[in-house]
Amino acid sequence: QVQLKETGPDLVQLTQTLSITCTVSGFSLTTYNVHWVRQPPGKGLEWMGAMWNGGGTDYNSAFKSRLSISRDTSKSQVFLKMNSLQTEDTAKYFCARLSSSWELDYWGQGVMVTVSS
Amino acid sequence: DVVLTQTPVSLSVTLGDQASISCRSSQSLEYSDGYTYLEWYLQKPGQSPQLLIYGVSNRFSGVPDRFIGSGSGTDFTLKISRVEPEDLGVYYCFQATHDPLTFGSGTKLEIK
Repeated sequence: QVQLKETGPDLVQLTQTLSITCTVSGFSLTTYNVHWVRQPPGKGLEWMGAMWNGGGTDYNSAFKSRLSISRDTSKSQVFLKMNSLQTEDTAKYFCARLSSSWELDYWGQGVMVTVSS
Repeated sequence: DVVLTQTPVSLSVTLGDQASISCRSSQSLEYSDGYTYLEWYLQKPGQSPQLLIYGVSNRFSGVPDRFIGSGSGTDFTLKISRVEPEDLGVYYCFQATHDPLTFGSGTKLEIK
């Protein structure tokens, strides 16, 4: 069945770089797009960006040039990297699959990341 | 960026009653292909968001027919008839028509 699982650090130091891996199963990264969404504690959802099935990427300009998304199709993994972390980047980070009808039909359980000074 | 304004911010409903949530967009969500990429998600306490409705009114697999999405252009509504205990959580609308994709600010459904 379709599954996505995020793995990453619990704690990242201020100004450092965050790296999260989304490992998927039950579908191919060359067929489906994978998106990243984050949620600060007690707040709403924010779309961050996407890895398209063809290998291209799309980013929310709110993250300017801090965000990078890549993949390793042989390992069924999508990677999120974000640099220059600030305390406001403390959030739960989710990866989710975008279906052919452009809905986020399956989500990972998320990884909670705290940015500490 | 497209702003999705959800109302109300919170909703307290008696079990068995109907709930209605509005999502208004700052731009039309009809894409040039004629499709409207407006979706509804429910995030239950402590869980990841789950898809309820896509394409304005299509229920995702396994979603009860108590959930009804409607609307067009810039105005959309999610109605939940006969609210049940498992319906509590935060409901988000989401648009995938315009880049960047955006979520509404959420509506918290509580059970009286």
